[in-house]
Amino acid sequence: QLQLQESGPGLVKPSETLSLTCTVSGGSISGSTHFWGWIRQPPGKGLECIGNIYNSGTTYYNPSLKSRVTISVDTSKNQFSLKLSSVTASDTAIYYCARQAPGGYIYYWGQGTLVTVSS
Amino acid sequence: EIVLTQSPGTLSLSPGERATLSCRASQSISSPFLAWYQQKPGQAPRLLIYGASSRATGIPDRFSGSGSGTDFTLSISRLEPEDFAVYYCQQFARSPGTFGQGTKVEIK
Repeated sequence: QLQLQESGPGLVKPSETLSLTCTVSGGSISGSTHFWGWIRQPPGKGLECIGNIYNSGTTYYNPSLKSRVTISVDTSKNQFSLKLSSVTASDTAIYYCARQAPGGYIYYWGQGTLVTVSS
Repeated sequence: EIVLTQSPGTLSLSPGERATLSCRASQSISSPFLAWYQQKPGQAPRLLIYGASSRATGIPDRFSGSGSGTDFTLSISRLEPEDFAVYYCQQFARSPGTFGQGTKVEIK
């Protein structure tokens, strides 16, 4: 059974860089035909796709976040990561990592991790 | 960017009633790239429907999806107590995809 687990700081200061890692177990990132993605959800609000990475290198980012986002993969650790720079309070959210099938749908989600942007 | 608009924002129904949720896209989407999710408080979303009309593994047959082009529908034939939740549609016609704003199905 595939499992995904987010990890990283729960508190980030404004203007700094948010960094999260998703560790995948029960399956391999390397050689996968799936997309590995990040989705976020501000408290009490809806879901927003941040971006994803495919075939260990091709990335797709939400246009509204593109200038601040980097998603990368470390196949040796079976992990993928999110970096979001110059954060503000509006980046406070639950961040989920996920595996997206080629059709885009998400069977497997991480449990989510709350990241608060505050000084 | 493809914008998904869900309606209504809130649906107030009683257990046993039928729920019909709408998802409208700002441009035409190929059906394989439309999915529906259910989310309960404190939980990650759960996939219900993919490819516009295929039920995910373990999803009861009271859930059904339909539609094509720009108009898609999620139907719940008879609401069970555990079905009261927030529902999202998602498109993946253009990566990384987008979600609708959600429809909350609440107990009347």
